[in-house]
Amino acid sequence: QSVLTQPPSVSGAPGQRVTISCTGSSSNIGAGYDVHWYQQLPGTAPKLLIYGNSNRPSGVPDRFSGSKSGTSASLAITGLQAEDEADYYCQSYDSSLSKVFGGGTKLTVL
Amino acid sequence: QVQLQESGPGLVKPSGTLSLTCAVSGGSISSSNWWSWVRQPPGKGLEWIGEIYHSGSTNYNPSLKSRVTISVDKSKNQFSLKLSSVTAADTAVYYCARWTTTDRRRYFDLWGRGTLVTVSS
Repeated sequence: QSVLTQPPSVSGAPGQRVTISCTGSSSNIGAGYDVHWYQQLPGTAPKLLIYGNSNRPSGVPDRFSGSKSGTSASLAITGLQAEDEADYYCQSYDSSLSKVFGGGTKLTVL
Repeated sequence: QVQLQESGPGLVKPSGTLSLTCAVSGGSISSSNWWSWVRQPPGKGLEWIGEIYHSGSTNYNPSLKSRVTISVDKSKNQFSLKLSSVTAADTAVYYCARWTTTDRRRYFDLWGRGTLVTVSS
């Protein structure tokens, strides 16, 4: 069981908008710690997608956006493309366990 | 451009010790970053193992702390992982990653390609 809870899977058609939730608690996200998002394409290492809740690194399309409220965070992807099909992980800090990841969400582009 | 490369045995016997090294190229391990190990069992999610600073300071995941040692070799610009008393549950792809700071935000900005370690007799 991961400290941060994500839906196992989400799906959407090309061009649509999808969101991935990341639910934590008062010892991690709710304590004010940042949430970061990573994209893992099949057979590759994770890649930073969003840092500090809502910031995009250089090179990440603005179709990707992040937000955080209370004990949860969300990743939104608009204008869905086939190349977005991947696993997505949220990550934060927990006051009892240090760095923690969500269980991951598999995005399927229909 | 900084790159990370993991290396080490791909097969470890049960009850043995898993040893991996992460070579840092294109930059100095003595920069103001922490250096981490993260693992991913086949078909499963990511798990943070621990981290080290170039001074030798370390932090470990409490669930693995009793079995983990992370060390740094500044002369070789690399850091290493040792995980003792391994079982099949330790079979995973092991990644090294850089924990960096930007505008007081801290996150993993760079990852190695990962190396699969299988625990089996």
